[in-house]
Amino acid sequence: GAGVSQSPSNKVTEKGKDVELRCDPISGHTALYWYRQRLGQGLEFLIYFQGNSAPDKSGLPSDRFSAERTGESVSTLTIQRTQQEDSAVYLCASSQGVRAAEQFFGPGTRLTVL
Amino acid sequence: GDSVTQMEGPVTLSEEAFLTINCTYTATGYPSLFWYVQYPGEGLQLLLKATKADDKGSNKGFEATYRKETTSFHLEKGSVQVSDSAVYFCAPWRRGTSYGKLTFGQGTILTVHP
Repeated sequence: GAGVSQSPSNKVTEKGKDVELRCDPISGHTALYWYRQRLGQGLEFLIYFQGNSAPDKSGLPSDRFSAERTGESVSTLTIQRTQQEDSAVYLCASSQGVRAAEQFFGPGTRLTVL
Repeated sequence: GDSVTQMEGPVTLSEEAFLTINCTYTATGYPSLFWYVQYPGEGLQLLLKATKADDKGSNKGFEATYRKETTSFHLEKGSVQVSDSAVYFCAPWRRGTSYGKLTFGQGTILTVHP
């Protein structure tokens, strides 16, 4: 596609439920990143994927968070047993490679945990 | 690890006023430096960048100079417009297989009134 797309754009869930967020990167981009943006705060890095290399999971805040990527295409971020502090906008970005400086961001998924 | 300190907002200006948003960073080595902008309802997009000391990045009337001696990358614009209202993020970036992720500042909200 022309840009990075994410779905859903908004998600409201109850505490304790699992959620799955999806990211479709720009075609041909080998690197894919997930960030979290809490209200009034900056972006926190969560995880990135680069080709077939092991992902860098160093930013995942707990073992309730996980992410998968199939080849060089779609990625899903899963949050299990959601908590209120998980409420945030989750942003996905892609780049031509981890050595490519510019990251292209999707519009984000706004997650609200009640 | 890398870190960024940005000028706290929100910043409110009248149209045609001069803008400065301060950004200082700590990072090992010589990172590239970026400013990203997030317009209301949109994803982040790269505004400008500088890859080495004394480089000046510029775009849409905005400028920032990479100052290695003061580890700063302040964003400036001589005459802001209402359409510049957005959130601005400073981010250092280091090339390398382990450092592909961006480290973002907390963001500065800019509101420009007619």
